[in-house]
Amino acid sequence: EAGVAQSPRYKIIEKRQSVAFWCNPISGHATLYWYQQILGQGPKLLIQFQNNGVVDDSQLPKDRFSAERLKGVDSTLKIQPAKLEDSAVYLCASSLVGGANIVGEQYFGPGTRLTVT
Amino acid sequence: TQLLEQSPQFLSIQEGENLTVYCNSSSVFSSLQWYRQEPGEGPVLLVTVVTGGEVKKLKRLTFQFGDARKDSSLHITAAQPGDTGLYLCAGNDMRFGAGTRLTVKP
Repeated sequence: EAGVAQSPRYKIIEKRQSVAFWCNPISGHATLYWYQQILGQGPKLLIQFQNNGVVDDSQLPKDRFSAERLKGVDSTLKIQPAKLEDSAVYLCASSLVGGANIVGEQYFGPGTRLTVT
Repeated sequence: TQLLEQSPQFLSIQEGENLTVYCNSSSVFSSLQWYRQEPGEGPVLLVTVVTGGEVKKLKRLTFQFGDARKDSSLHITAAQPGDTGLYLCAGNDMRFGAGTRLTVKP
């Protein structure tokens, strides 16, 4: 079974530029998560989708971050404009089941390492 | 938001030693998960505990969920260099602790 795919693996941009990350979850997984992991910290949940609906986006900085999951499969996370403090690894995860406060087994992708200069 | 505190933050031991790392909160969780993350990779789920007082074993790893479901521990027996990594706990609200970075020296 193929795992969670993410691209690109690395991205370097200047502050105030825009960037987008792509995630392809495991086939059949209804729930998709985006996390931000700053160096030395644990992953921070940004947004959770159940199929193509948003379950939790309470920690997503909506003034600059946006995410969508069209057709309930692939997802993109966008930052516009980027700030220096956005430098982090952006992890995508998927699970077969899940919802508000319901945790299924999450499978993580390798992440995209973003550096904002 | 239910905060999870992990301790110690860093741990460096010799191969063959035993160790315990902790995950504590003032809040009650319906479930708690432990993950291991290696450099350049995403976290990998080790175990999910759901019942207060529950003990689960995974080879040399023993996980315990506190009776009050507010805390958890991970004990590793006879640590090996392959156990090196970042150990993370997460509650059922998908909030993670900061992790314990374990280094096992050969």
